[in-house]
Amino acid sequence: DSGVTQTPKHLITATGQRVTLRCSPRSGDLSVYWYQQSLDQGLQFLIQYYNGEERAKGNILERFSAQQFPDLHSELNLSSLELGDSALYFCASSIRGGLSIQYFGAGTRLSVL
Amino acid sequence: GESVGLHLPTLSVQEGDNSIINCAYSNSASDYFIWYKQESGKGPQFIIDIRSNMDKRQGQRVTVLLNKTVKHLSLQIAATQPGDSAVYFCAENKVDSGYALNFGKGTSLLVTP
Repeated sequence: DSGVTQTPKHLITATGQRVTLRCSPRSGDLSVYWYQQSLDQGLQFLIQYYNGEERAKGNILERFSAQQFPDLHSELNLSSLELGDSALYFCASSIRGGLSIQYFGAGTRLSVL
Repeated sequence: GESVGLHLPTLSVQEGDNSIINCAYSNSASDYFIWYKQESGKGPQFIIDIRSNMDKRQGQRVTVLLNKTVKHLSLQIAATQPGDSAVYFCAENKVDSGYALNFGKGTSLLVTP
């Protein structure tokens, strides 16, 4: 167990809908990262937050947004969902935002039908 | 372009043998490299990391070698066990991307009895 908790484990929804994925980092970790894993694109970095502030953006679509709350948990919001958004979404956390080990949660499997 | 790639998509080894998983990177500015193991249905699990000022680092049954001259990274697993069967990813953690991870495509390691 990495100590990173993601909910829900599975999510099935329809095209055009909006969902929220939740992540609780390891105790003491200030930085949260979101990644998307799909069969054709592999693991892709989406966005990073550090102590409540956005630190870096990767290949995140405009339909996606995220935030990190004062208690350091993070949410990834996916809207106007398309079939191609079906993937595994992982959250990772690290103690700081620099060169430190990122610990991954078990992921949320999103299926858009 | 800048990428982290893997030489072999699949690797089959016999139990007890040593395994070597290779990875090539193209960005000479990369200063931190990480190996992750991902079992089916789980998130990536940290194995070992190495900074660019090192050539070798050892862990429990694992060794990571970094050859900056040819931009090559390898993961050696000693006395491979059935529990080592998984997909292995190398990733680089670049300073100019907010310390996000850029993952390779992964190598599937299958350990046969």
